[in-house]
Amino acid sequence: KQEVTQIPAALSVPEGENLVLNCSFTDSAIYNLQWFRQDPGKGLTSLLLIQSSQREQTSGRLNASLDKSSGRSTLYIAASQPGDSATYLCAVASGGSYIPTFGRGTSLIVHP
Amino acid sequence: GAGVSQSPRYKVAKRGQDVALRCDPISGHVSLFWYQQALGQGPEFLTYFQNEAQLDKSGLPSDRFFAERPEGSVSTLKIQRTQQEDSAVYLCTTALAGGGNEQFFGPGTRLTVL
Repeated sequence: KQEVTQIPAALSVPEGENLVLNCSFTDSAIYNLQWFRQDPGKGLTSLLLIQSSQREQTSGRLNASLDKSSGRSTLYIAASQPGDSATYLCAVASGGSYIPTFGRGTSLIVHP
Repeated sequence: GAGVSQSPRYKVAKRGQDVALRCDPISGHVSLFWYQQALGQGPEFLTYFQNEAQLDKSGLPSDRFFAERPEGSVSTLKIQRTQQEDSAVYLCTTALAGGGNEQFFGPGTRLTVL
């Protein structure tokens, strides 16, 4: 059974810092990995989707990398802003039906 | 509509009451998933549909939980005889085809069982 772990569980940083959020998974036979953002009381918003054949994806200040062999992905946030404050979740699609398995998320606070 | 919608957004139920949660997918999205998210946790898989076929229901926590998607579009998650441990946010997500495609989430239904 796929297990997904996210470290750290919580992070509080001053505005302007560059951040790295980590996601690890136990079964490297994945189809893809997706990073989401969740604001309090809201659903999940997709940030980046990395297919298993890819090593990274970029969108604006966000960059996600994937290392299947070591079972890891990182989400890099450049020049963090207070508006980046949210919970960040990663989900790994694997198994016969490619059902996404989620980590517990990293709760990020960026203070001015 | 432009995105996945869920209703109601909030539901308060007395213990023992039956509830029905609705998910309207993005038009044309074949795959539909239900997840349960407890406070401070990541979403936990409940069940998966491809069109009207329920391909996986291994995540449903008990036989009080039942999901259907009779015409391959709108889906309903029903919980019978609700218990306090059912309190959570229930999330619906859809994709073009299969879990291997980008997932689009609805806003969720927050269920509180008193």
